[in-house]
Amino acid sequence: SQQGEEDPQALSIQEGENATMNCSYKTSINNLQWYRQNSGRGLVHLILIRSNEREKHSGRLRVTLDTSKKSSSLLITASRAADTASYFCAIEYSGAGSYQLTFGKGTKLSVIP
Amino acid sequence: DSGVTQTPKHLITATGQRVTLRCSPRSGDLSVYWYQQSLDQGLQFLIHYYNGEERAKGNILERFSAQQFPDLHSELNLSSLELGDSALYFCASSAPRDRTSVQFFGPGTRLTVL
Repeated sequence: SQQGEEDPQALSIQEGENATMNCSYKTSINNLQWYRQNSGRGLVHLILIRSNEREKHSGRLRVTLDTSKKSSSLLITASRAADTASYFCAIEYSGAGSYQLTFGKGTKLSVIP
Repeated sequence: DSGVTQTPKHLITATGQRVTLRCSPRSGDLSVYWYQQSLDQGLQFLIHYYNGEERAKGNILERFSAQQFPDLHSELNLSSLELGDSALYFCASSAPRDRTSVQFFGPGTRLTVL
């Protein structure tokens, strides 16, 4: 399967701490995206990193991409209770066509107030 | 609010029945994607339509079909329903003019098959 694999499956931290989640994939990509899903709601796009980029920032989010290791990480700094959600990596593989994304199974983040 | 709407929000039906889920994409978006999310399978891509034409198929069962209409709204038809079809069904839209695969998701339809 070309599905991305997030790690860990679940993460519980205290408010104010940093949260790091990882995504690994198998073949070459055009870009990798991170989405957030609050319980039972639709996914929300957070950030996109292209295959020729190594790091991107958006507010308290920092994403890195290591194409040699076929992995990405999402860092959320100074976490808040409102960050409690599931986080998914979504991969646009090279040659996939039609801008198709392949989603991982997600990391469930709990931020304890 | 993503601008993508889905109806109904909840659907409860019996095995063997047929249901239709509806999706309206963001204004101007030509692409509609359908996904199934169940607890043990994560988010599974079903099918992609672009401006009325089918562009890609994923893990879509033969009992399921979809179409996109001239006004760009899309419908996902699920027939001969089984207990295992109980899941959240999402549609997402995207704007190829942006030359990106970023997708905007609707709030989902929760289907319960009893």
